[in-house]
Parts: sequence; C-alpha cells; structure tokens
Amino acid sequence: QVQLVQSGAEVKKPGASVKVSCKVSGYTLIELSMHWVRQVPGKGLEWVGGFDPEDGQPIYAQTFQGRVTMTEDTSTDTVYMELSSLRSEDTAVYYCARDRMGDGMDVWGQGTTVTVSS
Amino acid sequence: DIQMTQSPSSLSASAGDRVTITCRASQGISKGLSWYQQKPGQAPSLLIYAAFNLQSGVPSRFSGSGSGTDFTLTISSLQPEDVATYYCLQDYTTPWTFGQGTKLEIK
Repeated sequence: QVQLVQSGAEVKKPGASVKVSCKVSGYTLIELSMHWVRQVPGKGLEWVGGFDPEDGQPIYAQTFQGRVTMTEDTSTDTVYMELSSLRSEDTAVYYCARDRMGDGMDVWGQGTTVTVSS
Repeated sequence: DIQMTQSPSSLSASAGDRVTITCRASQGISKGLSWYQQKPGQAPSLLIYAAFNLQSGVPSRFSGSGSGTDFTLTISSLQPEDVATYYCLQDYTTPWTFGQGTKLEIK
C-alpha cells in the first residue's frame, strides 16, 4: 500500500526558497506519477504541478512558472517541490499526491505548512 | 486553461436528504473529472474518478455522472459524517484545474 510522508513545517522570509519533500513507501517512484497541490488558509485547492506520465517531465501551473521546480530522487523514492522568491501569498499547506494516470489522485501526503513571514 | 465552475459554493441540508453538486468545464473534458472530499484539518480524499467511477472504500451513497462539460456529484442520503468541502478537478489536460469548492453542512 502506497504511503506518502512529507517533510515538516517551514517558516521562511520573503524572497527565500523552500524545498518540501515527499517520501514514497510501498511502491517505487518510477511506477508513479506524482503531483503537488496547495491550499492557502481558508481557500480552495490549487494544482501546482505534476510529472507527465508520458515522458516523466514536470509540468507546472502558469501561476508558478519560473518559481517552482519539481524533482525526483529514485534512489530514495522521494519527490521534491522547491518554490523560490517566496511571498506572503505563498503561505499555504502543500500536499503531494499520487496520480493513477488519469484515474484520480488516490493517495495524499499529510501536508506541509509553509509560512512566509518577515 | 480550462476553467471549472462549481456550484453551489455552500449548501445546508438535512440528514437523509439527496444532495447534488455540479461542475461545469469551460470546454469539453470528456470524462476527465474527479471529485474530492476534504474534512477540516485533513488532506483531500478521492471519491470519484473518471467522472463516475467510485473509489474503493467510498460509500455507495456517493455517485458521479456527466461527460463533456457538465458533471454532477450526488449524495443519495446525506449522513452527518459527510460534512466537508467537496472539490471537482479536471485532470483531462494540463494545467489541471479545481473547482472553487462546495462547503456542505448539516441542518
């Protein structure tokens, strides 16, 4: 059974970068397509980006283009999401999730709270 | 980008009621739509995928329908544990886009 365990909460200053990890267990990363979703406090869900199952390349939402980088380390079955040039509006809970190739995101990490504050 | 318009934004119903939430896509997405339930303080959980397929372990009172641009999530008999916010997601093409959410409460 797939489990996703994310890294702990982060507090960052505006302009800094944050790198959130998501450790996969129960499957090897090479078999999965992983995505990231964020939720600003009191707001809805927002897709950040994911790996294209066709070619394994990351695809990002336009909102985050140029500031977000998603990477995978298959040796440790861990995916990473790095967001740079942080601003207060990036304060949110960031979730990783497994995509079943078009059959929904059925397994989610517990979420990582990123707080951006001076 | 495909826009997803979800309605209503909030809903209050009595236990046992039939509840319907709709999502409309700004262009056709075939059956590329999933529904998620999120309870306060928890990660979202998958209810329905590919428009009408019930995720394993989800109670049969939940159902999904639709294709193209118009989709519906139905709860046939509302239970107290269904209090949550519900989201649709089009995963037909990138960038994926969520609906705005529907907050469901019990009267």
